[in-house]
Amino acid sequence: GQNIDQPTEMTATEGAIVQINCTYQTSGFNGLFWYQQHAGEAPTFLSYNVLDGLEEKGRFSSFLSRSKGYSYLLLKELQMKDSASYLCAVRDSNYQLIWGAGTKLIIKP
Amino acid sequence: DAMVIQNPRYQVTQFGKPVTLSCSQTLNHNVMYWYQQKSSQAPKLLFHYYDKDFNNEADTPDNFQSRRPNTSFCFLDIRSPGLGDAAMYLCATSRDASGSYEQYFGPGTRLTVT
Repeated sequence: GQNIDQPTEMTATEGAIVQINCTYQTSGFNGLFWYQQHAGEAPTFLSYNVLDGLEEKGRFSSFLSRSKGYSYLLLKELQMKDSASYLCAVRDSNYQLIWGAGTKLIIKP
Repeated sequence: DAMVIQNPRYQVTQFGKPVTLSCSQTLNHNVMYWYQQKSSQAPKLLFHYYDKDFNNEADTPDNFQSRRPNTSFCFLDIRSPGLGDAAMYLCATSRDASGSYEQYFGPGTRLTVT
């Protein structure tokens, strides 16, 4: 079966750095997405990786290792507004998007 | 500026009473998706349309139907809602189903079944 694993919950301090990991086992690979979802709201797109390496976008960076079936989202200079769930999603060989259940990130002052 | 619009934002229906949720988009995207999301769970894809081509997920119950009368609009019909159908329903669009094209989500409709 296809599976996306992420930690259920993480806690970090305002101003710090946090890394949210995602491991996947899917039928093929055609890209990995990270989305942010605030409580009660819709997911919003953060990043896309299809090749190995690091993609940087402001305070957020996303890394991919296809051989390890692994990605992480790195959030720097954490702000209170970054409190949200972060969902990892992988596009498989049929171009279906397989979603993780998300990591709830709690930011403390 | 709204790009993916869902109405209503909150819907209360009675057990077994049909309900229709609507979604519209101003992005002129080819693909439209309907997801069901329950608390602390991954979004579950119910169906998607590539233009007019309808794609039903294998495990989507027959109780759920969808219509896409034109590029801009898509509807989700729940014929006989059960208590287990209470969830957030998310509509999303993308320019294409492949490549780096991300999905744009509407604000969702939270469905309560009494």
